[in-house]
Amino acid sequence: NAGVTQTPKFRVLKTGQSMTLLCAQDMNHEYMYWYRQDPGMGLRLIHYSVGEGTTAKGEVPDGYNVSRLKKQNFLLGLESAAPSQTSVYFCASSFPPPANEQFFGPGTRLTVL
Amino acid sequence: DQQVKQNSPSLSVQEGRISILNCDYTNSMFDYFLWYKKYPAEGPTFLISISSIKDKNEDGRFTVFLNKSAKHLSLHIVPSQPGDSAVYFCAALSHNTNAGKSTFGDGTTLTVKP
Repeated sequence: NAGVTQTPKFRVLKTGQSMTLLCAQDMNHEYMYWYRQDPGMGLRLIHYSVGEGTTAKGEVPDGYNVSRLKKQNFLLGLESAAPSQTSVYFCASSFPPPANEQFFGPGTRLTVL
Repeated sequence: DQQVKQNSPSLSVQEGRISILNCDYTNSMFDYFLWYKKYPAEGPTFLISISSIKDKNEDGRFTVFLNKSAKHLSLHIVPSQPGDSAVYFCAALSHNTNAGKSTFGDGTTLTVKP
């Protein structure tokens, strides 16, 4: 049981490049989330999904797109990377409410030059 | 407007003593609160939670207290151990709004000195 895994662990991009971050979970969770964490700040929600084929915007969605084609996978895309997107990205998953606890992946450290 | 605030960025305590981490919130719709612990280069992990119908929840060395009138919760760790050194995030959610999404504070870095 791997829990929540994220690929890649590290990535360096140049401004304007695109990339996709992959999140996979093996806990049969309905809900999945993408967060970013900047130094000294908490986790800010980018996008989330309440089930296969559904996505919704979170607090800071601009510059990102997501897809949930399979229940176990949640992809985060950067269309045209900007230095302001340098951050650590965390994926999480959970059962639907009233379950409350989220399970997090180990994170992806992204640097945009 | 930050709805969940952890006003102390850092806290240092001696091994064996009590650690008290604080969290304030502004949204009266929040009805469930969680604490997550995060080690460097790892994702956050769930630690303990409390429903708004309670004022205390205890799990081993960890106790969370909720004061609804003051919109304040605190995490007590007794006794503190060096392995407790980590960043602690407070999170809050509302089951009636926000589809159960959590709002996180900025975190408090706890250092437990041997």
